[in-house]
Amino acid sequence: AQKITQTQPGMFVQEKEAVTLDCTYDTSDQSYGLFWYKQPSSGEMIFLIYQGSYDEQNATEGRYSLNFQKARKSANLVISASQLGDSAMYFCAMREAYSGGYQKVTFGIGTKLQVIP
Amino acid sequence: KAGVTQTPRYLIKTRGQQVTLSCSPISGHRSVSWYQQTPGQGLQFLFEYFSETQRNKGNFPGRFSGRQFSNSRSEMNVSTLELGDSALYLCASKDRESLNEKLFFGSGTQLSVL
Repeated sequence: AQKITQTQPGMFVQEKEAVTLDCTYDTSDQSYGLFWYKQPSSGEMIFLIYQGSYDEQNATEGRYSLNFQKARKSANLVISASQLGDSAMYFCAMREAYSGGYQKVTFGIGTKLQVIP
Repeated sequence: KAGVTQTPRYLIKTRGQQVTLSCSPISGHRSVSWYQQTPGQGLQFLFEYFSETQRNKGNFPGRFSGRQFSNSRSEMNVSTLELGDSALYLCASKDRESLNEKLFFGSGTQLSVL
């Protein structure tokens, strides 16, 4: 089974509108972390937002918020007031601890967001 | 601080050749991990190094190898290149070993195998 599932290969949004990018995850761990990264055409992955499995409140970072529904194992990214510069690939990722005390990060296949003027 | 630096930015090789990619992490970061990114596959984990030791390895053939030096710089080597190795190879570093520690990525090396 896929650890991280992103079902939207591509999304369009009108400038200044809000958009939600979907992410579901699969883990049997109680302690894990969820991340969203943005990858513009330049290639560099940029950290956007983090949600811990024990965090009761949804994370927010400026125009980004993470809609965390633990029971449904979903961690959707919400971008408010979209800007042209938001056009990029967006990746959902999960960090889990594994034996030896180390951690492993698994990424989804990404969603390509295009913001229309 | 300077960001994660990957060199070269672009590489063109032919089948059967070998290639070495380089990654310099952010100063002070001891963990370096490598990912292969291809369209439709997302990022596939290759391996992670910490203080010159490989801590974890993804499901890639033995043709893919890496190492880390005492200054935390890391190299990744792919021998006997195949067409399917064409991808963007990303390197990431991190500071601490906590679940909320984000990864800092380089701009990647775009490898094309002809």
